[in-house]
Amino acid sequence: GENVEQHPSTLSVQEGDSAVIKCTYSDSASNYFPWYKQELGKGPQLIIDIRSNVGEKKDQRIAVTLNKTAKHFSLHITETQPEDSAVYFCAASDTGNQFYFGTGTSLTVIP
Amino acid sequence: ETGVTQTPRHLVMGMTNKKSLKCEQHLGHNAMYWYKQSAKKPLELMFVYNFKEQTENNSVPSRFSPECPNSSHLFLHLHTLQPEDSALYLCASSQDPDEQYFGPGTRLTVT
Repeated sequence: GENVEQHPSTLSVQEGDSAVIKCTYSDSASNYFPWYKQELGKGPQLIIDIRSNVGEKKDQRIAVTLNKTAKHFSLHITETQPEDSAVYFCAASDTGNQFYFGTGTSLTVIP
Repeated sequence: ETGVTQTPRHLVMGMTNKKSLKCEQHLGHNAMYWYKQSAKKPLELMFVYNFKEQTENNSVPSRFSPECPNSSHLFLHLHTLQPEDSALYLCASSQDPDEQYFGPGTRLTVT
């Protein structure tokens, strides 16, 4: 089955700096890669996703890149703000009902 | 903010108790999911229902029993749980196999 690894597990950045979180996957059949943000006491919320037919997708300060050959994808947050502090999860799916999640990255943005 | 609600938000139960978790989605989706979230572990998919039919059961112990009476409601019936079952139980829904929307979760503690 699919194995998703996520790094780093914790990340602290100064407000205004960029944050990068990386994930690797093992199953070449995976073709959908969502990123979720989970704040304390809440469920995960989808923030951006990418499908295997594109290499990059951007939404304001958030971007995701995908390298299918190397089987890795990354989340980039620019101009970080304190409200970006949360736990971020990557996931991989072959667009069936099975989603495989990473172990999460706890991001702290220091004002 | 979210079209997926879960009750109760917190639950403490003894190992001999029977309780149920409830999930309701107001998004018109046709698929619903139960996940288990434990500290420092990836989200674990437990059950999937498509159009009220169970399509996935990821080797979940029989002490967890799902029920999906219609495409808007999902239950997780609990009985004779173990302390290691303490976790955050998340419900999600989707229209497609991807783009899942999560509820806030039920924090379960088994004593």
